[in-house]
Amino acid sequence: GENVEQHPSTLSVQEGDSAVIKCTYSDSASNYFPWYKQELGKRPQLIIDIRSNVGEKKDQRIAVTLNKTAKHFSLHITETQPEDSAVYFCAASQETSGSRLTFGEGTQLTVNP
Amino acid sequence: DAGITQSPRHKVTETGTPVTLRCHQTENHRYMYWYRQDPGHGLRLIHYSYGVKDTDKGEVSDGYSVSRSKTEDFLLTLESATSSQTSVYFCAIKGGAGLQGQYFGPGTRLTVT
Repeated sequence: GENVEQHPSTLSVQEGDSAVIKCTYSDSASNYFPWYKQELGKRPQLIIDIRSNVGEKKDQRIAVTLNKTAKHFSLHITETQPEDSAVYFCAASQETSGSRLTFGEGTQLTVNP
Repeated sequence: DAGITQSPRHKVTETGTPVTLRCHQTENHRYMYWYRQDPGHGLRLIHYSYGVKDTDKGEVSDGYSVSRSKTEDFLLTLESATSSQTSVYFCAIKGGAGLQGQYFGPGTRLTVT
């Protein structure tokens, strides 16, 4: 089955700096890669996703890049703000196989004012 | 919130007792999922459903069963709860047209004493 590894497990940045979280996956058949943000005590919220036919996707201050050859994808947050502090999870799935998501273990991002 | 509710939101039960968690959705989504979330493990898929009476196992299905007799309800049952099943349980749906990705319910915190 699919295995997703996520790094780093914790990340601390100063407000205004950029943050990068990286994930690798094992199954070359995976073709859908979402990112979730989870605040303390809340549900995971989908913030951005990318499919394997696209190399990069941006939405305001967040972007995701995908390297299919190397089987890794990354989340980039620019101009970080204190409200970006949360746990971020990457995931991978095959959209034609029930869309079962395999998650990374999460990254605790702290943005210091 | 994609019209997803979970009940109960909190439950404390004793080892060996049966427990049923309910996920309810109001938007006629075909796919529904049960995940558990534990520190250091991210989110792991327990079972999922791709239609009424159509279910399949995820990566951590031992000790759990599910049922889906109506499109809107997906039930997760712990036949005989154990302390290792203390966790936060999230239900999710896969969005249809115009709502890509998986969306999570508010979660159920289960404690088995």
